[in-house]
Amino acid sequence: AQTVTQSQPEMSVQEAETVTLSCTYDTSESNYYLFWYKQPPSRQMILVIRQEAYKQQNATENRFSVNFQKAAKSFSLKISDSQLGDTAMYFCAFSSGSGGYQKVTFGTGTKLQVIP
Amino acid sequence: GAVVSQHPSRVICKSGTSVKIECRSLDFQATTMFWYRQFPKKSLMLMATSNEGSKATYEQGVEKDKFLINHASLTLSTLTVTSAHPEDSSFYICSAPAASTYEQYFGPGTRLTVT
Repeated sequence: AQTVTQSQPEMSVQEAETVTLSCTYDTSESNYYLFWYKQPPSRQMILVIRQEAYKQQNATENRFSVNFQKAAKSFSLKISDSQLGDTAMYFCAFSSGSGGYQKVTFGTGTKLQVIP
Repeated sequence: GAVVSQHPSRVICKSGTSVKIECRSLDFQATTMFWYRQFPKKSLMLMATSNEGSKATYEQGVEKDKFLINHASLTLSTLTVTSAHPEDSSFYICSAPAASTYEQYFGPGTRLTVT
């Protein structure tokens, strides 16, 4: 079974600064996908960024980037130029890439507060 | 991007009654959908996998007779909470997977309150 661990329950960052959220996972699979989802106060889950395990290049989406260390099973999220709208719960998630549609395993979440 | 809707967004029901929550994929077909439960300030807990045309697969510890799932079409899955009790009060979320990227498209959630 896969596990996803987020060791930072809460974090805060000043507006316009950079913050890094940590995530580690455990799996015996070689083909899988990793995600960061954001859940703002509205509680609508939103995809922030996705990483395919077979790709060595770290994914980036505008102000969001990841540091994917496959051997270390680490998948951290860096948010640059933090904005007030980034305030949300952030969930790291794992999905197996084999056998059709696979369920997602979520971490416990990190609550990020952006301070004006 | 793909849109998943849920209805109702909020529901209050009395203890002992049943309530149905609908999850629809609006602009794509979903042979598989997932149902989650989320407690305040907690992560999403997978309850079951809904499969179009076949029985749902429930996670360990989830009562299948209490949480009835029906996936009657390629765009609709329903979760019925039967004989609801106050401890069933929670936020319920559904999702449908993207065909090639394995990301999930989430519904906006349903807040259930059982009085």
